[in-house]
Amino acid sequence: AQSVTQLDSHVSVSEGTPVLLRCNYSSSYSPSLFWYVQHPNKGLQLLLKYTSAATLVKGINGFEAEFKKSETSFHLTKPSAHMSDAAEYFCVARNYGGSQGNLIFGKGTKLSVKP
Amino acid sequence: DTEVTQTPKHLVMGMTNKKSLKCEQHMGHRAMYWYKQKAKKPPELMFVYSYEKLSINESVPSRFSPECPNSSLLNLHLHALQPEDSALYLCASSQDPPTSGEGKTQYFGPGTRLLVL
Repeated sequence: AQSVTQLDSHVSVSEGTPVLLRCNYSSSYSPSLFWYVQHPNKGLQLLLKYTSAATLVKGINGFEAEFKKSETSFHLTKPSAHMSDAAEYFCVARNYGGSQGNLIFGKGTKLSVKP
Repeated sequence: DTEVTQTPKHLVMGMTNKKSLKCEQHMGHRAMYWYKQKAKKPPELMFVYSYEKLSINESVPSRFSPECPNSSLLNLHLHALQPEDSALYLCASSQDPPTSGEGKTQYFGPGTRLLVL
C-alpha cells in the first residue's frame, strides 16, 4: 500500500537560515509527489510537483524538492527562510490503487520561523 | 490562472438548519472534489465529480449532499449536521479526472470554515 511519512511534525528555524522538511513515501508504482502549503485559516496552495521528469523540482517562493528513488524521499528545502514561510506543509502522493483519485496526505509539518 | 473560489468563507449553523457551500472554477477543469479538514489534520476526501457526474463517494453520511449543476460549479448541501461536522471544507479541481489524463494536479480553494452549534 502507498503511504507518505513526514518525519517531523514541527520544525522551527530562524529567519534567513535554511529550511528542510522531510518526506518519505512508499509506492509500488512510479509516484507522483506534491508539496502543498497551508497558511493559517487558508486553503492549500501547490508549492511544487514531481511527475517523473527532472528529479530536482523547483517551486514557488524559492522552494525546491529532490526526488531520490534510492532513498524513497522527497524532501522540501529552501536556502533562506522568511517569516511569511511560517505555515503547515503537506507532502502528498497520488494514490494509484484503492479509491481512484485520492491523494495520500502526510500528517503535515508545521514550520515556525523565528525573527 | 489556477483559482478556485469558495463561498461563504465562514458559516455558523444549527443542527436543524439547511445550508449550502459553493465552489467555482473557470479553468475548464473536468474534475472537482470536496474535502473535509479537521484542525491539525490533513484533508480527507469526501466526493469526486468527473465530467459533472459523481464518481467517488467516500462513505460520507447522507446529511452531506453534493451537486454539480455544471462543469464550473460544485455545491455541497448540508442538512441536520452534528457538532462533530464542524471543520474546514475545501474544494479542489483538476484538469483531468483522476483516472485518466496527465492533468491530475489538484488546485484547492480557500475553504469554508463551518461551525455547527
